[in-house]
Amino acid sequence: ETGVTQTPRHLVMGMTNKKSLKCEQHLGHNAMYWYKQSAKKPLELMFVYNFKEQTENNSVPSRFSPECPNSSHLFLHLHTLQPEDSALYLCASSQEPPGSNTGELFFGEGSRLTVL
Amino acid sequence: AQSVTQLGSHVSVSEGALVLLRCNYSSSVPPYLFWYVQYPNQGLQLLLKYTTGATLVKGINGFEAEFKKSETSFHLTKPSAHMSDAAEYFCAVISGNQFYFGTGTSLTVIP
Repeated sequence: ETGVTQTPRHLVMGMTNKKSLKCEQHLGHNAMYWYKQSAKKPLELMFVYNFKEQTENNSVPSRFSPECPNSSHLFLHLHTLQPEDSALYLCASSQEPPGSNTGELFFGEGSRLTVL
Repeated sequence: AQSVTQLGSHVSVSEGALVLLRCNYSSSVPPYLFWYVQYPNQGLQLLLKYTTGATLVKGINGFEAEFKKSETSFHLTKPSAHMSDAAEYFCAVISGNQFYFGTGTSLTVIP
């Protein structure tokens, strides 16, 4: 198993659909993150979880709803999205708490979302 | 707030030529600095990082970067480009409890 696994890799949905993105990390890390990657923009941090507790919500619209049932799994529930939400959604994990000086993030391959 | 500026969204070099990807950051205190690489259809992978100590940092695949406090820069270099280096490169800083990423530089290697 690779370190951080994301499913599905590609998702096309209509604006009225409800779907979920899944992330699983096999590294024994305690912190997990959702990032949004859009063309020509810096990676946007969306949510941070540390030991299953949400520690950061970066002013993300409520149509994105995260869930972290345990330190190994992270979900991003999607509903009534807009076309501008089309992007690559990256999950990451880290051993150390967010912002520590070791700082290495381990990323999944991403879920490419297209909203029609 | 922190910011990271990567000059040049696209850089092209010939195979065997020097690679130089530029990164400048804004910070009132020395941050922790990182370079990540993203190959097509993959997530980001850590190339190298600077936290404390020696300002010249060596990473994987022959890359290195030098932290220059006076210039608030952390440019990435590789003496000789290889075709497999073609990818998107992201500079990032940690400040407070967050990573701040640049917009990325797409590296093309010409045979």
